[in-house]
Amino acid sequence: DAKTTQPPSMDCAEGRAANLPCNHSTISGNEYVYWYRQIHSQGPQYIIHGLKNNETNEMASLIITEDRKSSTLILPHATLRDTAVYYCIGSYSGGGADGLTFGKGTHLIIQP
Amino acid sequence: DVKVTQSSRYLVKRTGEKVFLECVQDMDHENMFWYRQDPGLGLRLIYFSYDVKMKEKGDIPEGYSVSREKKERFSLILESASTNQTSMYLCASSPTLPAALNTGELFFGEGSRLTVL
Repeated sequence: DAKTTQPPSMDCAEGRAANLPCNHSTISGNEYVYWYRQIHSQGPQYIIHGLKNNETNEMASLIITEDRKSSTLILPHATLRDTAVYYCIGSYSGGGADGLTFGKGTHLIIQP
Repeated sequence: DVKVTQSSRYLVKRTGEKVFLECVQDMDHENMFWYRQDPGLGLRLIYFSYDVKMKEKGDIPEGYSVSREKKERFSLILESASTNQTSMYLCASSPTLPAALNTGELFFGEGSRLTVL
């Protein structure tokens, strides 16, 4: 899996967009970018993934730079329940049969 | 909804005891995983299995073994628990899908917090 770098923590006001950055300068051409989050005392939860194009689902949007060296996860209207640790992961197969390598992630704190 | 169930949320064991952590998934997934999570170290992969009776070592298999006798159940075994195995243990599963359909999603259980005294 590609090495990723994320800020250890971030704050965001409730109702605003939360933009979480991730650097993955060594990602190879066929490695996907995956985002998971882990709410306190729960297992990680899949959010979104992408290869080259920007992606959007009901939870978030993923913006990947053209050179694929970085990406941003966007939570458009953050709520208090979005307070969690967010993990950015580069991987060929996602869950697949090999698992994923989770780093330390970004602890996002949504402020009321 | 996919459900991954871990048998115990909290366990307290003594050094030297044999410990079984059980994980069951109800979505007929081929792949199952055991991670441990420690403060400052993130999640680390202990073992995984891509089929019944198959197992592969992850990044930190020392001191652990696993058993997968049935597709839905993946057990983590600590043959002789030690204090440095005090941790949160997380089980996950995923399906094997064609590349075009593979979202790469892992489905996690809620975790088992083991304390070894």
